[in-house]
Amino acid sequence: KAGVTQTPRYLIKTRGQQVTLSCSPISGHRSVSWYQQTPGQGLQFLFEYFSETQRNKGNFPGRFSGRQFSNSRSEMNVSTLELGDSALYLCASSLGGQNTGELFFGEGSRLTVL
Amino acid sequence: AQKVTQAQTEISVVEKEDVTLDCVYETRDTTYYLFWYKQPPSGELVFLIRRNSFDEQNEISGRYSWNFQKSTSSFNFTITASQVVDSAVYFCALSGPKRDDKIIFGKGTRLHILP
Repeated sequence: KAGVTQTPRYLIKTRGQQVTLSCSPISGHRSVSWYQQTPGQGLQFLFEYFSETQRNKGNFPGRFSGRQFSNSRSEMNVSTLELGDSALYLCASSLGGQNTGELFFGEGSRLTVL
Repeated sequence: AQKVTQAQTEISVVEKEDVTLDCVYETRDTTYYLFWYKQPPSGELVFLIRRNSFDEQNEISGRYSWNFQKSTSSFNFTITASQVVDSAVYFCALSGPKRDDKIIFGKGTRLHILP
């Protein structure tokens, strides 16, 4: 079956702009979680959506937001981009919640902020 | 607070050697889950194993084995007879049992298998 698909794979933005990233989970998976990966901070949990509701949130500012649609596809948005937002953004889907850990990851969206 | 420490930032070994990746964790929970993920150059993390805190049996899967020791709060990962395809970044992770528990990842160990 198809894996987790993230789009776009690469993007370049400038400070102050906003960006929207998309994630299509594995069919039948209702949980979608998002992670930010940087060389300095490593992998950090952003938020989790389950059946269109945000179920959990990491310690990120309000500029980071997300949503999930009825078909379980999810988007995350970062507004007023800062240089420090440059990162690989990974999406993962699972049957249960992100705390169960059997996560299936996409290849990520690499964001560069200039 | 929960914490995962992977003290080895980068390891290089020659193909066919055995290699152990260390993982030490901290948690106040009595029930928790430990995981290992592999991140090849393509970027996506691949789930390798989940272990819950009540199951201290070691596990072997082919060339991979895991040693879970609650007494030392460690969950180490050994690759036997390493291969070039094992080159990747490996992450150890920890989470609690509640739905709103966040999974915490270690900083990862970059493993180079040299031909």
